[in-house]
Amino acid sequence: AQSVTQPDIHITVSEGASLELRCNYSYGATPYLFWYVQSPGQGLQLLLKYFSGDTLVQGIKGFEAEFKRSQSSFNLRKPSVHWSDAAEYFCAVGAQTGANNLFFGTGTRLTVIP
Amino acid sequence: KAGVTQTPRYLIKTRGQQVTLSCSPISGHRSVSWYQQTPGQGLQFLFEYFSETQRNKGNFPGRFSGRQFSNSRSEMNVSTLELGDSALYLCASQSLAGAPDTQYFGPGTRLTVL
Repeated sequence: AQSVTQPDIHITVSEGASLELRCNYSYGATPYLFWYVQSPGQGLQLLLKYFSGDTLVQGIKGFEAEFKRSQSSFNLRKPSVHWSDAAEYFCAVGAQTGANNLFFGTGTRLTVIP
Repeated sequence: KAGVTQTPRYLIKTRGQQVTLSCSPISGHRSVSWYQQTPGQGLQFLFEYFSETQRNKGNFPGRFSGRQFSNSRSEMNVSTLELGDSALYLCASQSLAGAPDTQYFGPGTRLTVL
């Protein structure tokens, strides 16, 4: 069965500092991987996705993520964080079985300090 | 293109009542999935509909049900509400059934059960 682990519940970074959010997945085959962001009281916005091909994927708002099969990881990175990046970030894995449901991690809450 | 819309945005009900939530997918999208988000359990998949048929179901009791109409709009119903049903209910639309594809989320319906 698929599962996602986000080891960091809460991360605090200074504005302008770099950011890396960790995500590890469990899935028997090549997974479909996603990062979503959620602001308070809002739905989920897609940041980026990996289906196949280049293992370094670029997303919106300057985010990127790297798929590492050997480590079962899909970490999210941003070189310079802005105060508006403060939100909750969710990593998700999708199955290749034809089912559309996503399995989400527990999320990482990002706080940005001036 | 308009995004996924959900109505109502907020609901307050009492235990034992039933509730119906509505979701309109992105125009042209035929797959609709529902998720429940709570602080304790995180994001959990409820069910998915495609072409008016339930294709996939998560591990929720039979009190949770849904349907999809010919225009792809979907409703979910929760009968005999319990306090634990208080959650943010998110709807996601996808253009086709079957991976890979991206799910786009609506803003959610915040249900409070008193």
